[in-house]
Amino acid sequence: ETGVTQSPTHLIKTRGQQVTLRCSSQSGHNTVSWYQQALGQGPQFIFQYYREEENGRGNFPPRFSGLQFPNYSSELNVNALELDDSALYLCASSLQGGDGYTFGSGTRLTVV
Amino acid sequence: GNSVTQMEGPVTLSEEAFLTINCTYTATGYPSLFWYVQYPGEGLQLLLKATKADDKGSNKGFEATYRKETTSFHLEKGSVQVSDSAVYFCALSSGGSNYKLTFGKGTLLTVNP
Repeated sequence: ETGVTQSPTHLIKTRGQQVTLRCSSQSGHNTVSWYQQALGQGPQFIFQYYREEENGRGNFPPRFSGLQFPNYSSELNVNALELDDSALYLCASSLQGGDGYTFGSGTRLTVV
Repeated sequence: GNSVTQMEGPVTLSEEAFLTINCTYTATGYPSLFWYVQYPGEGLQLLLKATKADDKGSNKGFEATYRKETTSFHLEKGSVQVSDSAVYFCALSSGGSNYKLTFGKGTLLTVNP
C-alpha cells in the first residue's frame, strides 16, 4: 500500500508567479485535502476534493484553486504568488466516511 | 468557530521524564479530537484520537483523554525517549475523522539523553 506522494518537495518562485503542486493519494482513498503550514504554525485547511468537486473550503482567497482527477490525484494551484504564501503545503488523502487522513511529506514553497 | 489552544513550547526534557502537553478546544457539538506528530522534514502522522467524551486514545505509550467538562485533551507519556523529539499538534474535527481539521500551533518537544 503506497502512501501519499507530493511533488515537488521544494521549489522557489518569484512574487507574482503561478505555481502548481501535485499530490497522489494513498491507494483506496477517494478524498484529498490540502493544508498550508506557515513556519512555526499549525496547518491551516485550504480545501478538500471529493469526486472531482470541491467539498469544503477554508479561509483562503480564490487565487488558491484545485483539481481532483479521476484517479483521485490532485493539484493545488496558486496564482499571483505573494511573499506570505511561503509555507509547507501538505496534502492528505482519506476515504469519504472513513477513519482519518494520511498526510504526505509536503512541498516547501518559498516565494522571493 | 472552532479553535485549539495548546501549551507553547519548546519543551525540553531528559530521557525517561514524564511528559504533559496541554490542549484545550472550542467547538460546537461533539468534535473528534486528535494528536498528530511531525518529525523533522516530514509530514504529519496521527498519534492518537478520541471521538467521544471520556474516550482515551493511546499509542506508543502516549495517552490522552477526551474531557468534555473541561474541553481538554492533554497528551501524556510516562517516560519519554530521545526518539520522541518532534513537534506535537492537537487538532479537532467537527465533521468526523476525515473532515477538515483545526490545528493548534504545535509544541516542540526535545528529549535529551
